[in-house]
Amino acid sequence: GQNIDQPTEMTATEGAIVQINCTYQTSGFNGLFWYQQHAGEAPTFLSYNVLDGLEEKGRFSSFLSRSKGYSYLLLKELQMKDSASYLCAVINDYKLSFGAGTTVTVRA
Amino acid sequence: DAGVIQSPRHEVTEMGQEVTLRCKPISGHNSLFWYRQTMMRGLELLIYFNNNVPIDDSGMPEDRFSAKMPNASFSTLKIQPSEPRDSAVYFCASSPAGVGTDTQYFGPGTRLTVL
Repeated sequence: GQNIDQPTEMTATEGAIVQINCTYQTSGFNGLFWYQQHAGEAPTFLSYNVLDGLEEKGRFSSFLSRSKGYSYLLLKELQMKDSASYLCAVINDYKLSFGAGTTVTVRA
Repeated sequence: DAGVIQSPRHEVTEMGQEVTLRCKPISGHNSLFWYRQTMMRGLELLIYFNNNVPIDDSGMPEDRFSAKMPNASFSTLKIQPSEPRDSAVYFCASSPAGVGTDTQYFGPGTRLTVL
């Protein structure tokens, strides 16, 4: 089976940094995705990790440790538009299994 | 470039009626996925097509749900008869090949309400 855990909610101040953790126990693993989903909209791709380590892409970074079944998404210099749900998803062959999502609220 | 296109964006229907959701994947993508998103269960894969062939339909809830992909640029998800518990947002996604590292790109979704 698939078990993907992430916190339900996080709140941070504009300009700050927030780290969203994701732990997983899955029957197969070909990589880990992070998606961003604004309310009422589609999930949009943020990052993909298949090897251990940190992938940096502008204000967003994603880290993976396969031995620990652990990933995090780091959002720097938070902006109001970053208020959204962030979905951790593990891919096994073609099958994406999603966590429940972490709702991040950015306050002025 | 056009992304994944879905129609309708919103559908309100009464219990027992047939509902048909439509999807046009990104041109050149070989794989198409239908997902359902609810507050209780999150995002769940319903069915996966590769080169227009259904590969995995294990997520389809029951016989009331059916999906087709008659050609590379069109797919439908049908619910007949619909029930209130089918109320959800249905997303279609496509990817170039559908395996391993391929990123799946989601359409805007269809918000279905069954009264």
